[in-house]
Amino acid sequence: QVQLKESGPDLVQPSRTLSLTCTVSGFSLTSYGVSWVRQPPGKGLEWIAAIWSGGSTDYNSALKSRLSISRDTSKSQVLLKMNSLQTEDTAMYFCARDDGYFDFWGQGVMVTVSS
Amino acid sequence: AIQVTQSPTSLSASLGDRVTLTCRASQDINNKMAWYQQKPGEVPQLLIYYASTLQSGTPSRFSGSGAGTDFSFTISHLQSEDFATYYCLQGYSLWTFGGGTKLELK
Repeated sequence: QVQLKESGPDLVQPSRTLSLTCTVSGFSLTSYGVSWVRQPPGKGLEWIAAIWSGGSTDYNSALKSRLSISRDTSKSQVLLKMNSLQTEDTAMYFCARDDGYFDFWGQGVMVTVSS
Repeated sequence: AIQVTQSPTSLSASLGDRVTLTCRASQDINNKMAWYQQKPGEVPQLLIYYASTLQSGTPSRFSGSGAGTDFSFTISHLQSEDFATYYCLQGYSLWTFGGGTKLELK
């Protein structure tokens, strides 16, 4: 069955770089895109970045300068890097499969930005 | 970037009520609108995609309609498990979520 699982640090210092991994199973990254979505505590959902089945990438324009998304198809992993972290980047980070809409989601990883 | 305006931001309703939420996109998005339900501490669950297609497992009391810039989402007969926050998502040009509607028990 389709599964996605996020991994990464739960605490990051301000100004540092966040690295998150989404490990997928039950589908191929060359057949489906994967996006990252985040949700600050008590707030709404925000799309961050996408990597398409062909390997091209897109980013939220407000965050683009700080983001990098990539994949390792041999490991079925999608990687997200976000630099220059600030406290407002504290959020639950989800990865989700793109089938024209986000049909399967990981459980999320809570990332706190704090010194 | 396409903006999505969701209303209302909160709604109080009673069991058995019919409620309707709306999302308006800043430009024509054809039928590329999806609707999600999220309960506290849980992952968003896809209910409807392509404006009106029910995801497998979505109860028939949920429905969606619309095209172009205006979309609606209706729960025809509220059940206790329906009290949650609902989000719309446009997928026509990249992705934009609406701000959410918190549905509470009156």
